[in-house]
Amino acid sequence: KAGVTQTPRYLIKTRGQQVTLSCSPISGHRSVSWYQQTPGQGLQFLFEYFSETQRNKGNFPGRFSGRQFSNSRSEMNVSTLELGDSALYLCASSTTRGEAFFGQGTRLTVV
Amino acid sequence: DAKTTQPTSMDCAEGRAANLPCNHSTISGNEYVYWYRQIHSQGPQYIIHGLKNNETNEMASLIITEDRKSSTLILPHATLRDTAVYYCIVRVDGNYGQNFVFGPGTRLSVLP
Repeated sequence: KAGVTQTPRYLIKTRGQQVTLSCSPISGHRSVSWYQQTPGQGLQFLFEYFSETQRNKGNFPGRFSGRQFSNSRSEMNVSTLELGDSALYLCASSTTRGEAFFGQGTRLTVV
Repeated sequence: DAKTTQPTSMDCAEGRAANLPCNHSTISGNEYVYWYRQIHSQGPQYIIHGLKNNETNEMASLIITEDRKSSTLILPHATLRDTAVYYCIVRVDGNYGQNFVFGPGTRLSVLP
């Protein structure tokens, strides 16, 4: 069974640009969550989608947004990038019982 | 804020059992104890979770005290590849949109 796939693995962007990250969940998983990991703040929850609806949202500014498609694949978008947005962005898909399985992440560097 | 407290770091000799403690004194009756680990720069890996009974799988054992205020993750025969940050998280079970709240975790170093 394929795991959670995140693309791209690495990305370099310039301040002010926008970026879109993609996540393909494990087949059959309808819940997809996104997390940001930085050395200073650790792992922080961004948002969670289930059946194309955002069910939960963390404490991040509106520049961070996401969506989920009918096939459960999800994207997250960050607009007007800031240096502080440099981080490892992790996607997780969850079973009906709630266990979450994480992808390898996308490492975003903003210069 | 994370509802768990864990030691910042621990060492374990290769081949020995690694016992990682976690305190969750404010755990609610419907909250499970989850364990994840993260090897450097990779995504967190699910290890095990449980409610009140001890649990065992191919990776580890989870021992939860009777009052459920603390638990211990046991890696029975630690290897160098078990060197990672281990996170203990409490959360309601089921897929209801509840997120995982990660604390700083315990950095386990398995020494040769």
